[in-house]
Amino acid sequence: QQQVKQSPQSLIVQKGGISIINCAYENTAFDYFPWYQQFPGKGPALLIAIRPDVSEKKEGRFTISFNKSAKQFSLHIMDSQPGDSATYFCAASIGSGGSNYKLTFGKGTLLTVNP
Amino acid sequence: DSGVTQTPKHLITATGQRVTLRCSPRSGDLSVYWYQQSLDQGLQFLIQYYNGEERAKGNILERFSAQQFPDLHSELNLSSLELGDSALYFCASSAQGFGTQYFGPGTRLLVL
Repeated sequence: QQQVKQSPQSLIVQKGGISIINCAYENTAFDYFPWYQQFPGKGPALLIAIRPDVSEKKEGRFTISFNKSAKQFSLHIMDSQPGDSATYFCAASIGSGGSNYKLTFGKGTLLTVNP
Repeated sequence: DSGVTQTPKHLITATGQRVTLRCSPRSGDLSVYWYQQSLDQGLQFLIQYYNGEERAKGNILERFSAQQFPDLHSELNLSSLELGDSALYFCASSAQGFGTQYFGPGTRLLVL
């Protein structure tokens, strides 16, 4: 049972364009939604994260949009650059007030930004 | 650099063997998480330790075990290795038993 579904599997955009990656989750107990960026041969690195009490969070060129009722969240990369070419993972976890913050990951999106 | 270190970087071994992967969390972090990344299964949570105690278990096989030592480093032991265990194994750490997880560079295991 895949608790976090991510799409698309791969994405090609032109430099300067907007990259959009979508995720949907099933477990309404999830209360923390991070996005990770992974370059080949490296470990995942936290990009940006959101909690369900806000609908949008922006950090530089990266924005998370969150729709609690639809159980969906998305990552928007504005002014995409070739250096953004990487695999992006959405994730979700449960943990407010608890002690278990294991991350459940989507399958990943391979983003290629053409110069 | 996340501050999480993992050794070895690469490991090649044969089926039936046993290996130990080591992780040192970021300075001050009490919680360590282990994940397995493979092409077909993606990133899967294996196990979490917090200040030396097991806190949560995920899809970890019985052939796999882990521990966290008093100096907070952690080891993941994989035994009776099978071809399907070939994967990237990541360790992550967080300050408490919750919060932002910082990933190490991973150990690439190849079972021949």
